[in-house]
Amino acid sequence: ETGVTQSPTHLIKTRGQQVTLRCSSQSGHNTVSWYQQALGQGPQFIFQYYREEENGRGNFPPRFSGLQFPNYSSELNVNALELDDSALYLCASSLRVGGALGETQYFGPGTRLLVL
Amino acid sequence: AQSVTQLDSHVSVSEGTPVLLRCNYSSSYSPSLFWYVQHPNKGLQLLLKYTSAATLVKGINGFEAEFKKSETSFHLTKPSAHMSDAAEYFCVVSELTGGGNKLTFGTGTQLKVEL
Repeated sequence: ETGVTQSPTHLIKTRGQQVTLRCSSQSGHNTVSWYQQALGQGPQFIFQYYREEENGRGNFPPRFSGLQFPNYSSELNVNALELDDSALYLCASSLRVGGALGETQYFGPGTRLLVL
Repeated sequence: AQSVTQLDSHVSVSEGTPVLLRCNYSSSYSPSLFWYVQHPNKGLQLLLKYTSAATLVKGINGFEAEFKKSETSFHLTKPSAHMSDAAEYFCVVSELTGGGNKLTFGTGTQLKVEL
């Protein structure tokens, strides 16, 4: 167990709806990253938050947005859900001290989202 | 951009025999490389990490990987497979982006362990 927790574990939504996923970082970690893992594929980087600011973003549209709170927990929000958004959403936390290169990210169990 | 290529989508071994999962990387600078494992319906667990301190990296559960710059490879090995090793394995490279860093995953290797 990494100490990274995510809620909910499973979620079913319909196309066009909005969803919020939550992540609590491992104790002492200050950086949170989000990944989308479609069925049968490797995870794809969505974005990263450090000091409550977005710190890098992958090839995802603006309807994917996030927040990081002062306690380093984080939310992923997805608006106007599409069928292709069905996936496992993984949160990872890490400790940034100085530069970001080589940080080890520790993953939570994920939230499985199904869009109908 | 950094990338990794996992050369086998599926590997099948017998319990007690060696495991070899192959990964090649592409990087414009000295890379940080990882292997993660994902058991069915679970999150990702870190097996080991390379950050240039030593070319042979030992990880958890008897796994190790060797960084070979001349071959741009980072293959994962284990001397003796156990049934509990059956899972999906991802070779991963860390890349700087927008002030932070992102992990770029390979396509994964499904390891099957047979009796």
